[in-house]
Amino acid sequence: GQQLNQSPQSMFIQEGEDVSMNCTSSSIFNTWLWYKQDPGEGPVLLIALYKAGELTSNGRLTAQFGITRKDSFLNISASIPSDVGIYFCAGQLNNDMRFGAGTRLTVKP
Amino acid sequence: GAVVSQHPSWVICKSGTSVKIECRSLDFQATTMFWYRQFPKQSLMLMATSNEGSKATYEQGVEKDKFLINHASLTLSTLTVTSAHPEDSSFYICSARGFPGANVLTFGAGSRLTVL
Repeated sequence: GQQLNQSPQSMFIQEGEDVSMNCTSSSIFNTWLWYKQDPGEGPVLLIALYKAGELTSNGRLTAQFGITRKDSFLNISASIPSDVGIYFCAGQLNNDMRFGAGTRLTVKP
Repeated sequence: GAVVSQHPSWVICKSGTSVKIECRSLDFQATTMFWYRQFPKQSLMLMATSNEGSKATYEQGVEKDKFLINHASLTLSTLTVTSAHPEDSSFYICSARGFPGANVLTFGAGSRLTVL
């Protein structure tokens, strides 16, 4: 189930602005994942993080695995209209995977 | 990379009928598949975890007799919405994991069910 605290719930930004969202948990995880869901589609993996402290980039996206293993953030730089969608974090420990409630991003041209 | 195919992508049915949705892992064996439900502008809600060869584990509040899940092979899980009613209209999404402890879930594209 969804037992991660993901914030913010929604964001309305201007094209070109940077975006930051994060997930926190009271539990530790071995893996943090960030997914994006476009309207009417299934979520697609953006970034996977496997090590505490790891900082990984994928184009304009950057994500970090918190040192405490209880949190992660995702940054999007220089946003563009196609960044619109819902972003989900997921944390995994062994066979247990939990999802955040999602951050709905709206980008105004 | 891993691909999960979900079919049908959309279905319209009459109230009282049953609808089956398939979830297939195309290039890997999925020991575990998950089924989610998503209402408009809402997050994913995990309905059940399906393990190949065993009974699905349902989340609290999800009726197992209403939402029948079968995971008979390592590449196929099905969700059957029995005696569908308009309130069952939703976006249903599956995801698959290759082996126990696999780090990444791959999602299907979703199936939109509309019950008239």
